[in-house]
Amino acid sequence: AQSVSQHNHHVILSEAASLELGCNYSYGGTVNLFWYVQYPGQHLQLLLKYFSGDPLVKGIKGFEAEFIKSKFSFNLRKPSVQWSDTAEYFCAVNEAGGSYIPTFGRGTSLIVHP
Amino acid sequence: DSGVTQTPKHLITATGQRVTLRCSPRSGDLSVYWYQQSLDQGLQFLIQYYNGEERAKGNILERFSAQQFPDLHSELNLSSLELGDSALYFCASSPGQSDTQYFGPGTRLTVL
Repeated sequence: AQSVSQHNHHVILSEAASLELGCNYSYGGTVNLFWYVQYPGQHLQLLLKYFSGDPLVKGIKGFEAEFIKSKFSFNLRKPSVQWSDTAEYFCAVNEAGGSYIPTFGRGTSLIVHP
Repeated sequence: DSGVTQTPKHLITATGQRVTLRCSPRSGDLSVYWYQQSLDQGLQFLIQYYNGEERAKGNILERFSAQQFPDLHSELNLSSLELGDSALYFCASSPGQSDTQYFGPGTRLTVL
């Protein structure tokens, strides 16, 4: 069975600081990878996804993530955060060619101070 | 707005009761997924329907059941409710069985 670990449960940053949220998964086969964001009081929205090709994926709102297969990682990055990035961030993985049901990490709460 | 709607937004009920949560997928989406989000368990997949048929089952209790109707909306039925069932229940939809999922706003269930 797959599992997804998000090591940072809570992150607090000041505006303009750089962000990196860790995501590691355990599964030996081919995977699809996702980052979702949940703004306060809102539904989960897709930030970016990786299915194949360039391991550096660019998403919405200036976010990017890098798939490093040898490290089973898919870390999310943003060079300069804004107050409006305050939200919960979820990493998810599904088995390519399998059931496609994603396994979600526990989430990372990001608070950005103005 | 993802295009996925869920009703009701909030539901407060007592232990032992039964409730029904409703989800309307995005126009054209055939797959509907149900998730439970709680503080201690995170986001847990419950069940998936594709074009009216059950396709995948996750950590869904026997007290819970779901169905997808011909118009593709779905209902999640929770019975013999316990305090531990208090959570946010999300519905998501996708065009097929393996596409990106689009989430609804959720139903917050509180069992007293």
